[in-house]
Amino acid sequence: DQQVKQNSPSLSVQEGRISILNCDYTNSMFDYFLWYKKYPAEGPTFLISISSIKDKNEDGRFTVFLNKSAKHLSLHIVPSQPGDSAVYFCAASGDYGGSQGNLIFGKGTKLSVKP
Amino acid sequence: KAGVTQTPRYLIKTRGQQVTLSCSPISGHRSVSWYQQTPGQGLQFLFEYFSETQRNKGNFPGRFSGRQFSNSRSEMNVSTLELGDSALYLCASSEGGTGANVLTFGAGSRLTVL
Repeated sequence: DQQVKQNSPSLSVQEGRISILNCDYTNSMFDYFLWYKKYPAEGPTFLISISSIKDKNEDGRFTVFLNKSAKHLSLHIVPSQPGDSAVYFCAASGDYGGSQGNLIFGKGTKLSVKP
Repeated sequence: KAGVTQTPRYLIKTRGQQVTLSCSPISGHRSVSWYQQTPGQGLQFLFEYFSETQRNKGNFPGRFSGRQFSNSRSEMNVSTLELGDSALYLCASSEGGTGANVLTFGAGSRLTVL
C-alpha cells in the first residue's frame, strides 16, 4: 500500500520552460512534506519542504504547492535548466512518537531538461 | 561542515554471508536513519537511531539490524544475505529533535549479493 505516489515515472521539459512534478498521498496524518533531488551515484539532496499549515513555499526557482483537501502536492521549477535533470522524490513525514527519521518516499520522477 | 559519510561505497557478497555498513553523521547530528533503495520499491525506511537507541523501525526482517555509538556514528548489519538484499543502502542524519527535521543523506553503500 503506497502512501506516497508519484504517478509519472518521467518528465521531459525544454530548457527555460516550467517543470511541474506531482505527488499524491493517502495518509491525512502526514504533516510535513519534502522534495529531494537525486543524481546517479549520489545520495538524495534536500530541495524544499512545506508544512501542512501552509499551502505554498518558495525558494528561488523552486515552489512547492500543497492542496490538503486533495492530498496533493506539486513542485514547480521555473525556469528549468539542464542541470535540473535528475530524479525527484517526494517524501512525507508524520509525528511517529517524536521520531522524525521516518520519511515515506514516492518512487520518484525522472526529470530531463533538454537544451 | 563535513557531510554524511558512508563506507564502504561498493561491496560484493555472496548469499549466506553477512555485511556491516558504516555511517558517520554530520557533526552535532544525533539522529541516524537508514534506508534501502531498490529499483522496484524505491526508498524504504529501515530504522532510526537517536542517542544510541532505536526509536523507530520499518518493516524489514530481523536479519537487518543496526546500532549507534556514543559519538552518533552508526552501523547496520545484514545477516544471511539473500539475492534480494542487493540494493543501495542510504544513511541520513538529522539533529533529531522533535518536530520536522530535514534529513541529510550520504552517498550510499551499494551492495551486490551474488
